[in-house]
Amino acid sequence: DAMVIQNPRYQVTQFGKPVTLSCSQTLNHNVMYWYQQKSSQAPKLLFHYYDKDFNNEADTPDNFQSRRPNTSFCFLDIRSPGLGDAAMYLCATSREGAVNHEQYFGPGTRLTVT
Amino acid sequence: AQSVTQPDIHITVSEGASLELRCNYSYGATPYLFWYVQSPGQGLQLLLKYFSGDTLVQGIKGFEAEFKRSQSSFNLRKPSVHWSDAAEYFCAVGAENTDKLIFGTGTRLQVFP
Repeated sequence: DAMVIQNPRYQVTQFGKPVTLSCSQTLNHNVMYWYQQKSSQAPKLLFHYYDKDFNNEADTPDNFQSRRPNTSFCFLDIRSPGLGDAAMYLCATSREGAVNHEQYFGPGTRLTVT
Repeated sequence: AQSVTQPDIHITVSEGASLELRCNYSYGATPYLFWYVQSPGQGLQLLLKYFSGDTLVQGIKGFEAEFKRSQSSFNLRKPSVHWSDAAEYFCAVGAENTDKLIFGTGTRLQVFP
C-alpha cells in the first residue's frame, strides 16, 4: 500500500547529540511536511518542501534543519537537541499545494532527550 | 487571519451514545475543511474533508460532518460511539494561497463502557 513511513518510531538521544529522523513516501507527492507535536497539543509545522523548494516557518529554531534528497525521502536533523525538543515528530505529504491541502501523515517518531 | 477553534478540550460519552464535536473557523472564502483523528502514539488519520458541494460529508468509521457557512462551523458527528473511537480529534482548515493546514487545538474523546 502507498504510504508515509517514518523511522525510527522511537528515538532516544542525549542532550546536545545530533539526531536525524527519517521520512519516506510511496505516494509520489510533491509536498512533504515536518511537524512537532507535544503532549496534548496540535501539531506545529516546522517546515515543508514543495518539490525541492524549502519553506521554513518563521518561528522554527535554527537548531532544526531538513533535507530532501529526492521526491521519496525527507530528513529532519536536530543539531543540538535540548530537553524541550522531546516530542512526537510527524511527517506528512500532500499531492499538491494550495489547490488540494489534504495531507497524509506518517505514524510519527517519538523523540526522547536524556 | 485564519483560525480554527475547537471549544471543547475534553468530551466524555458513554458507548452507544451520539457524539458531536464542535469546530468553528475564520475564513473569508469557501474553506477547505478537514477532520483528523489521532489515536495515542500514532499519526493523524483523515476522517473526512469538505471542499465544495453537498454540505453534509460522510467519512470513514461512521463519522459525518456538516458545513454551515452561516455559522462558520464544521461539526463532526457520529450517531453511536464505539469504545475504539476514544482518541484526539483535530479540525483543520487549508490556509489560503499556501500549502499549509491550520489546526485547531484538538478535542480529546473519552468513551465509557
